[in-house]
Amino acid sequence: DAGVTQSPTHLIKTRGQQVTLRCSPKSGHDTVSWYQQALGQGPQFIFQYYEEEERQRGNFPDRFSGHQFPNYSSELNVNALLLGDSALYLCASSLGGASSEQYFGPGTRLTVT
Amino acid sequence: GEDVEQSLFLSVREGDSSVINCTYTDSSSTYLYWYKQEPGAGLQLLTYIFSNMDMKQDQRLTVLLNKKDKHLSLRIADTQTGDSAIYFCAEGSTLGRLYFGRGTQLTVWP
Repeated sequence: DAGVTQSPTHLIKTRGQQVTLRCSPKSGHDTVSWYQQALGQGPQFIFQYYEEEERQRGNFPDRFSGHQFPNYSSELNVNALLLGDSALYLCASSLGGASSEQYFGPGTRLTVT
Repeated sequence: GEDVEQSLFLSVREGDSSVINCTYTDSSSTYLYWYKQEPGAGLQLLTYIFSNMDMKQDQRLTVLLNKKDKHLSLRIADTQTGDSAIYFCAEGSTLGRLYFGRGTQLTVWP
């Protein structure tokens, strides 16, 4: 039973560039949520995708956008990267959006220079 | 329900019990969670409790929930050096959004 997978593992980008991060949910799950974890902090909710629609959004600017595909995998896009976007980006999967069990992937470490 | 508070550090000796505490603010939370994060890794779901329960036990882990005081605790029995990690408390909204604390760094001394 495959768990949540994310790619790439690490990424280095320059300020102003754009980045795309990818997530495949746990087998049988249909909901993907994205979180940003800055160093020394707890994860902060970016948004959630369910049935290919953005269902909830946290307090993040429009530079952060996403997509969910028919196979439930998801992408997180960040435009016009800022130094402050450097963080660990975590993907969580669940079933039905309000499931009790939410499983996280290993994360993508993004460094913006 | 966006304020989740945890103490930042806890040190225990191997074999002792560890108790990590957490307070939250949203009385409408559906589930409350404990996650473990090791250096450079993602979050591992340890256990969770439905908001109308008082206690849940799972092997070495015991979760206690005091809904009146909005207080959650995680007790790890017979703590081992491999339990050294950061532990996050999180509350879940009805639509599944999680609100996390800043995490408690648990250090286990041999």
